[in-house]
Amino acid sequence: NAGVTQTPKFQVLKTGQSMTLQCAQDMNHNSMYWYRQDPGMGLRLIYYSASEGTTDKGEVPNGYNVSRLNKREFSLRLESAAPSQTSVYFCASTPGQNTDTQYFGPGTRLTVL
Amino acid sequence: QKEVEQDPGPLSVPEGAIVSLNCTYSNSAFQYFMWYRQYSRKGPELLMYTYSSGNKEDGRFTAQVDKSSKYISLFIRDSQPSDSATYLCAMRDAGNMLTFGGGTRLMVKP
Repeated sequence: NAGVTQTPKFQVLKTGQSMTLQCAQDMNHNSMYWYRQDPGMGLRLIYYSASEGTTDKGEVPNGYNVSRLNKREFSLRLESAAPSQTSVYFCASTPGQNTDTQYFGPGTRLTVL
Repeated sequence: QKEVEQDPGPLSVPEGAIVSLNCTYSNSAFQYFMWYRQYSRKGPELLMYTYSSGNKEDGRFTAQVDKSSKYISLFIRDSQPSDSATYLCAMRDAGNMLTFGGGTRLMVKP
């Protein structure tokens, strides 16, 4: 039982490049989330998926797109990376009934040059 | 002004000390309050959850909520070096999105 896994762990991009961050959970959770964490800013919600087939914007969605591929997988895409997107990205999941106990992945450290 | 304010620290204490971590918030609609612990280069993990005002105790940890003052606290008794981490408060209203504080970095020195 791996919980929430994220790939890659580290990534360096040049401005304008695109990439997709992958997230998968094996806990049969309904809801999944993407956050970014910047120094002093805490975790800010980018997008979330309350259930398979649905996605909604969070606090900071601009510059990102998401896909809930199936119940297990929720990907985050940067179409044209900008230096302001340099951050640590965390994926999380919850059973759906209780959104407060969020299970986080180990994070992806992204640097955009 | 952020909805949730948290002193970033770092807070350095000797082993065995009582630690007090705090958050203030401005949104009176928040009614669910959590503390997450995040070790270096790891994802956060839920430590404590409270729904109402008052105290909740779990081992060495006590979470306190004062809705009238819009103030929440986490107390750690008999702090250990293994408690060294960043502590994030989080809260939400009746919706399903959490709002996190910026985190307080705690260092417990042996």
